Amino acid sequence: DTAVSQTPKYLVTQMGNDKSIKCEQNLGHDTMYWYKQDSKKFLKIMFSYNNKELIINETVPNRFSPKSPDKAHLNLHINSLELGDSAVYFCASSQVGTGQQETQYFGPGTRLLVL
Amino acid sequence: AQKITQTQPGMFVQEKEAVTLDCTYDTSDQSYGLFWYKQPSSGEMIFLIYQGSYDEQNATEGRYSLNFQKARKSANLVISASQLGDSAMYFCAMRDDDYKLSFGAGTTVTVRA
Repeated sequence: DTAVSQTPKYLVTQMGNDKSIKCEQNLGHDTMYWYKQDSKKFLKIMFSYNNKELIINETVPNRFSPKSPDKAHLNLHINSLELGDSAVYFCASSQVGTGQQETQYFGPGTRLLVL
Repeated sequence: AQKITQTQPGMFVQEKEAVTLDCTYDTSDQSYGLFWYKQPSSGEMIFLIYQGSYDEQNATEGRYSLNFQKARKSANLVISASQLGDSAMYFCAMRDDDYKLSFGAGTTVTVRA
């Protein structure tokens, strides 16, 4: 009964490769997000989709491309991986609104290491 | 500009005692939400507590309470009766009008037996 799940949990790859991370939520939420946590534990929003529509697109290299096939899924594809892409990537979901319902629930994270 | 400031990189607390984690925020929005998350060494992000900008009462969830001082733009987390399992990194976050969460740098709490 996992709420927000991500695959894979760990990803080790060579520089220049292309990789994808998948995220699924079963909370019935209408909004999903990708965050990046760097080596200093700083968390920063990358993208957000609401009902399959991109609503937040932060200053992220265009090697990163999100895709939302439906409102329960949000995938992240990364082209031409670089050493600096090594980080933990978190998926999250929420229901847009007011009050506590806007709480974002996070997946377990995907630890990406680029060699 | 930094929206969320957590000035305590690390704190030690004795088991069963209370600890206060500081958080100040910066926004010109009237409607916003404040959140605290816990990240244990296993890495997951666990939601702890929420405070809305229009909520007049401080939020409480079990041993967690949020000391919300709107005029001072602070939203400190109080953990009462600390347990060894509370050892983790704690993040303060704010949702403002564009619906994204801005996080502070985090505070590492170590509970001593």
